[in-house]
Amino acid sequence: KQEVTQIPAALSVPEGENLVLNCSFTDSAIYNLQWFRQDPGKGLTSLLLIQSSQREQTSGRLNASLDKSSGRSTLYIAASQPGDSATYLCAVDRGSTLGRLYFGRGTQLTVWP
Amino acid sequence: KAGVTQTPRYLIKTRGQQVTLSCSPISGHRSVSWYQQTPGQGLQFLFEYFSETQRNKGNFPGRFSGRQFSNSRSEMNVSTLELGDSALYLCASSLQPGQGNIQYFGAGTRLSVL
Repeated sequence: KQEVTQIPAALSVPEGENLVLNCSFTDSAIYNLQWFRQDPGKGLTSLLLIQSSQREQTSGRLNASLDKSSGRSTLYIAASQPGDSATYLCAVDRGSTLGRLYFGRGTQLTVWP
Repeated sequence: KAGVTQTPRYLIKTRGQQVTLSCSPISGHRSVSWYQQTPGQGLQFLFEYFSETQRNKGNFPGRFSGRQFSNSRSEMNVSTLELGDSALYLCASSLQPGQGNIQYFGAGTRLSVL
């Protein structure tokens, strides 16, 4: 059974700091790992998707890395801003023909001015 | 290209009632998955449909059911509502199920059971 863990559960930092959010998963047989952002009461916004053959993906101030063999991914946020405040979720699939995603519980990020 | 559309966005029901939620996938997408999100349990998988067939089902009671139509639109139904069914219900679509196909999520339906 695939289990996804995210650390820390919550993070509160002043504006401008560089952040690292961690995600680990128990079954390395995956196709993709995806990072999402969720604002309170809203749906999921996809931030970055890393295919199992890739090591990292970058989008603006975001950089996600994947170490499939150790079952770990990190999301790096550079120069954090108050607008980055949200819950960040990590999800993986099972590397099969079934589409189910396995989600972590998320990291709730607060960036204060 | 329109994204995944979920209707309605908000629902208020009372215990014992039933509810139907709708999901229209991105044009051309044939796979639809449903998830329930609660503060206590996080995101939990409900079911997955492809070509009008349920291919995978999560660990939910039989009160939760769904279907997919020939145009790939999907509905989920919850009968005999309980207070614990209050949640955000999210739908995701992809071209095909699994095999690395990217899933795109809708904005969700917020269900409150009183």
